[in-house]
Amino acid sequence: DTGVSQNPRHKITKRGQNVTFRCDPISEHNRLYWYRQTLGQGPEFLTYFQNEAQLEKSRLLSDRFSAERPKGSFSTLEIQRTEQGDSAMYLCASSLGAGGSYNEQFFGPGTRLTVL
Amino acid sequence: AQSVSQHNHHVILSEAASLELGCNYSYGGTVNLFWYVQYPGQHLQLLLKYFSGDPLVKGIKGFEAEFIKSKFSFNLRKPSVQWSDTAEYFCAVNARGSGYSTLTFGKGTMLLVSP
Repeated sequence: DTGVSQNPRHKITKRGQNVTFRCDPISEHNRLYWYRQTLGQGPEFLTYFQNEAQLEKSRLLSDRFSAERPKGSFSTLEIQRTEQGDSAMYLCASSLGAGGSYNEQFFGPGTRLTVL
Repeated sequence: AQSVSQHNHHVILSEAASLELGCNYSYGGTVNLFWYVQYPGQHLQLLLKYFSGDPLVKGIKGFEAEFIKSKFSFNLRKPSVQWSDTAEYFCAVNARGSGYSTLTFGKGTMLLVSP
């Protein structure tokens, strides 16, 4: 399968624990995006990378959220000190792109987080 | 900042009925417009997009959408739905102000087509 992959697909954790999600983009895609989707809502943009540079992170929901893409390939999204309100589906997408152009974003299956 | 409003959260149709899902956006500048679809158990995937030119765009599986700039609308249509069109549909906008980098989605419309 050459699409975007995300691991784990499901994560159940207790409030206060840290969690980390991984996203592997389509191999030739230099842009990678993270979104969050809660029940009854559309995906909400969190952050994105172009290669290893994080170009937009002001939409991260709080300082408990952080993302990395150290070698410009896979990315991780970490949530520290989880809260019940963090329960959601976390989606990753990737695309080609440079400068001011837009290219289609391809989405992964998501990681569903449940915070007890 | 841009926002997207989808008129219906749930739509139920019989097979062969015509479909129109409403989408309005708010943004004063240049935008790209999209409809994404999520079939049960599957990833979000692009149904169709509008960047410029002919405001009537055609997508996969017989779907089309019309961009009406004066109404800030991008409604999705299909003349005759099939049971396999049961899915959640999301309208999204991508604006020059964001460097065309981010998508802003509506809340989605769940379409159920009964056989």
